[in-house]
This record gives sequence, C-alpha cells and structure tokens, in this order.
Amino acid sequence: NAGVTQTPKFRVLKTGQSMTLLCAQDMNHEYMYWYRQDPGMGLRLIHYSVGEGTTAKGEVPDGYNVSRLKKQNFLLGLESAAPSQTSVYFCASNPGLAGVGTQYFGPGTRLTVL
Amino acid sequence: QQQVKQSPQSLIVQKGGISIINCAYENTAFDYFPWYQQFPGKGPALLIAIRPDVSEKKEGRFTISFNKSAKQFSLHIMDSQPGDSATYFCAASVNTGGFKTIFGAGTRLFVKA
Repeated sequence: NAGVTQTPKFRVLKTGQSMTLLCAQDMNHEYMYWYRQDPGMGLRLIHYSVGEGTTAKGEVPDGYNVSRLKKQNFLLGLESAAPSQTSVYFCASNPGLAGVGTQYFGPGTRLTVL
Repeated sequence: QQQVKQSPQSLIVQKGGISIINCAYENTAFDYFPWYQQFPGKGPALLIAIRPDVSEKKEGRFTISFNKSAKQFSLHIMDSQPGDSATYFCAASVNTGGFKTIFGAGTRLFVKA
C-alpha cells in the first residue's frame, strides 16, 4: 500500500495563476481532508469530504475549491493564487469508522506564490 | 471554543531526559485526543492517542496524561533520544460529520546528544 500520496511535491506559482493539487489514497478510506501548515500555526483545515461526491468547508476555505469525484481522490484547487497561499499543503484520510480517529497524512506539497 | 493551545513552542532536552509538552482545550465535545509526530519534510504521523474516559495511556517511552476536569492533556517522552527530535502536535477531535480535528500550534523538540 502506498497510503496517501500527493502530487506535486513542489510548485511555484505567480500571483493570479491557478493550479490543482491531487491527493490519492489506496486504503479505501471514506473521509479525506486538506490542511495547510504555516509556521507557528499548526495545521488548519481547508476543506474535507465524508464520502465520494461530498465536500464541506473547514476552518480556512476562502480561495480554495475541492472535488471528490472518486472515493480514492481528493483535489484541491486554487483559482487565482495569492502570496498568502504560500504554505505547505497536507492531505489526510480517515477510515470513517466509529471510534477510529486517526488521520493518515500524505508527504505534503510545498507551494510558493510569488 | 475550538482552540487547542499547546506549549512550549520549542524545547531542548538532554539525551536521557524527560520531554514534557502540554495542551489545553475548550470544547468539551472533543472525544479523541491524538498526538502527532512530524519529521522535517514529512507528513505528521500518529504517535499516541487517548480518549477522555482514561486518565493515562502509555506506549513504550511515550505517555499521555489526561485531566478531563481541567481540560488539559500532556505528552511525556521518557529517556528522550536524539531520534525523538521532531515537531509534535497535540490535537482534539470529535466525530460529528467527519472526525474534524483541531491541531495545536506544535512544539519543536531538540534532544541533545
């Protein structure tokens, strides 16, 4: 099992450009999440999904959109990148079973917006 | 009400010493309290977790102490080793519509050899 994978690993954008980050998991997990990690601020939830075809807003959703067309994939889109979106982005998944709270994280995508 | 406050921001411990990281939460609905360990360039990984009906959980050198009335919990790393040098995040979650998790700001631990 590869677990949770993220594509790309690094990306540099100019202000106003758009891009999509791809997250894939091979554990048949129901729940998937996108976080951003900034120094001194821990991980903040951007959007999440509790199943194929569902999405919901997290703590910091502005400027991002997501889609979960297939159970194993969760896409994070930036329509018009801003320097404030410079961050490390982590995808995570959870089985969606009662009492199982562990989140399994991908290796991250480091995004710089100039 | 959704915050999880973590301290200290950074910690330097001698090899063999005890590392202690503290967290406090506000929302009494939280029912799962994990600690994640993150090495540079990697994603966080679950280290140990506890539920509020237990006051202490030990796994090897790692122990969580949980005080429900004070809404506080802490991670103790006994016999700290240089390989424990990493960033540690406490977190709190509740399974209402998706096991949403709130993370602390993180503690950077450095264990001196």
